[in-house]
Amino acid sequence: SQQGEEDPQALSIQEGENATMNCSYKTSINNLQWYRQNSGRGLVHLILIRSNEREKHSGRLRVTLDTSKKSSSLLITASRAADTASYFCATDTGRRALTFGSGTRLQVQP
Amino acid sequence: DTAVSQTPKYLVTQMGNDKSIKCEQNLGHDTMYWYKQDSKKFLKIMFSYNNKELIINETVPNRFSPKSPDKAHLNLHINSLELGDSAVYFCASSQMDYLETGELFFGEGSRLTVL
Repeated sequence: SQQGEEDPQALSIQEGENATMNCSYKTSINNLQWYRQNSGRGLVHLILIRSNEREKHSGRLRVTLDTSKKSSSLLITASRAADTASYFCATDTGRRALTFGSGTRLQVQP
Repeated sequence: DTAVSQTPKYLVTQMGNDKSIKCEQNLGHDTMYWYKQDSKKFLKIMFSYNNKELIINETVPNRFSPKSPDKAHLNLHINSLELGDSAVYFCASSQMDYLETGELFFGEGSRLTVL
């Protein structure tokens, strides 16, 4: 079974709107990370939040972590067409590799 | 300069053949990985190496054999290719810090198609 599962699987919004993606996981973590993947490309790291942190910001990105609910959310504010990509959460559970979720495909309509 | 580079980018081959994918990182990281991304975009860890030592070997068929000649290189050799091996294979690297896995740097992927 997967450690991380993103919700929704796909999201379509208009430019300027906010996009929220959620991630749930099963076991305790050291940290949780979000990655972006443009079509046909490799994954790019966006942000890392540790288990003792609740919220983190980076530019237009805001990540929250609720370890009691084993869930995280990624908020992209004022979305742009260039934000169109797949977004993945990944967890570090101490096994010395990240476990990835199934991803959310975000489409931002210009 | 490309941080994590893998070759080839595309690989089309017949069932039963043997193929290799090479990966190199110039970031000075001590840990390298192979991930497999299937057609539904699900990413699964296959192997990880730390300072040339195999750390993770998931339930991958033994037709897959990784080799790390030094900590900057991690190659993947696949014997007797099967249709189900068709996928995109990603190499990645990171710097391990007291057993915490930090940011992974990914290559652009190698799309393998088995006919």
